[in-house]
Amino acid sequence: NAGVTQTPKFQVLKTGQSMTLQCAQDMNHEYMSWYRQDPGMGLRLIHYSVGAGITDQGEVPNGYNVSRSTTEDFPLRLLSAAPSQTSVYFCATMDTRSGNTIYFGEGSWLTVV
Amino acid sequence: GQNIDQPTEMTATEGAIVQINCTYQTSGFNGLFWYQQHAGEAPTFLSYNVLDGLEEKGRFSSFLSRSKGYSYLLLKELQMKDSASYLCAVRDPIKAAGNKLTFGGGTRVLVKP
Repeated sequence: NAGVTQTPKFQVLKTGQSMTLQCAQDMNHEYMSWYRQDPGMGLRLIHYSVGAGITDQGEVPNGYNVSRSTTEDFPLRLLSAAPSQTSVYFCATMDTRSGNTIYFGEGSWLTVV
Repeated sequence: GQNIDQPTEMTATEGAIVQINCTYQTSGFNGLFWYQQHAGEAPTFLSYNVLDGLEEKGRFSSFLSRSKGYSYLLLKELQMKDSASYLCAVRDPIKAAGNKLTFGGGTRVLVKP
């Protein structure tokens, strides 16, 4: 998982609480994204960014906010946590200039009770 | 939209060969990825196909037929460490979408001694 750091790795939240999942990369990749993974459903895209200052919605954006003020950081905010947001979250980056490899962070396990 | 299908689970014996099929129906196509994911870990890149044909990388090979909307991942000389989930993903064809991937649900491969 070269150069993609996610924090925290584990988190338990109460319904209605807010929190931010952090993602940082040191590879100067333009493209960053957030996925959630639920059993039997593969990874689903939440939000993505093609560069600093630019973000867009993916397949399942409701309940999440993102911002991209720098190339390095792409935080994911849960505004008011719900049990349906219990999932594993992966941040991913891609160097769109030189290849097709996507690098994933180690994942963040979130439980909402 | 994108729809990607792959079998849920497969079992094979150590030393044998296993073929994991992936079919896709998409509004466009800009490449297909295969990822390996061990339980509790992030996906790791295995292969990328954008043109028809077979790509070989050691014990792993990936095949693509764009006209049939079909790909497979072939794992040869299976080892116990190959027990993992294998994820098929198709890349969005629209450049502005920033390399979005749509994932299938994953195929869990269990290698038995």
